[in-house]
Amino acid sequence: NAGVTQTPKFQVLKTGQSMTLQCAQDMNHNSMYWYRQDPGMGLRLIYYSASEGTTDKGEVPNGYNVSRLNKREFSLRLESAAPSQTSVYFCASRPPGAGADTQYFGPGTRLTVL
Amino acid sequence: AQSVSQHNHHVILSEAASLELGCNYSYGGTVNLFWYVQYPGQHLQLLLKYFSGDPLVKGIKGFEAEFIKSKFSFNLRKPSVQWSDTAEYFCAVRSRYSSASKIIFGSGTRLSIRP
Repeated sequence: NAGVTQTPKFQVLKTGQSMTLQCAQDMNHNSMYWYRQDPGMGLRLIYYSASEGTTDKGEVPNGYNVSRLNKREFSLRLESAAPSQTSVYFCASRPPGAGADTQYFGPGTRLTVL
Repeated sequence: AQSVSQHNHHVILSEAASLELGCNYSYGGTVNLFWYVQYPGQHLQLLLKYFSGDPLVKGIKGFEAEFIKSKFSFNLRKPSVQWSDTAEYFCAVRSRYSSASKIIFGSGTRLSIRP
């Protein structure tokens, strides 16, 4: 199993450009998450998806949209990038079942918005 | 609202020194507690977790953490650190009966080990 994969690993955008961060997992997990990691602020949840076709807002959803078209993939879209969205973005997935609270994280996407 | 506090932002130790990283949370109900580690250039990995039972939890690589309910704390410890423990450490908490989305992470503690 590849686990949780993310593309791209690095991206530089100009203010106002749009892009989609891709995330996929091959562990048959139902729940998937998008976090951003900023210095001194830890991880903050942007959006999550409890199952295929459902998504919900997390702590910091403004400026982002997500799409969960199938069980494997959960994409994060920036429609009009802003410098405040410069961050490292982590995707994670969680196995189903009671007590299965372990989240598996992807390697991250480092995004810079100029 | 739930929150997690990691008061040590940067800890510098020599090899073989003992480690204790503080983590306090604010939530009065039943919680699940986690410590994650992020080595330089890598993604987060779970070190250990507490759900119930023995409040002293053993994790990977010689780490352990103790849940002290009366102090709302879940401090991470290691008796003797190695240079390879250089990383950033994140404490996280989830209310036992909330959805999995409600995992709250602390701001992280950067650990630097001097060889």
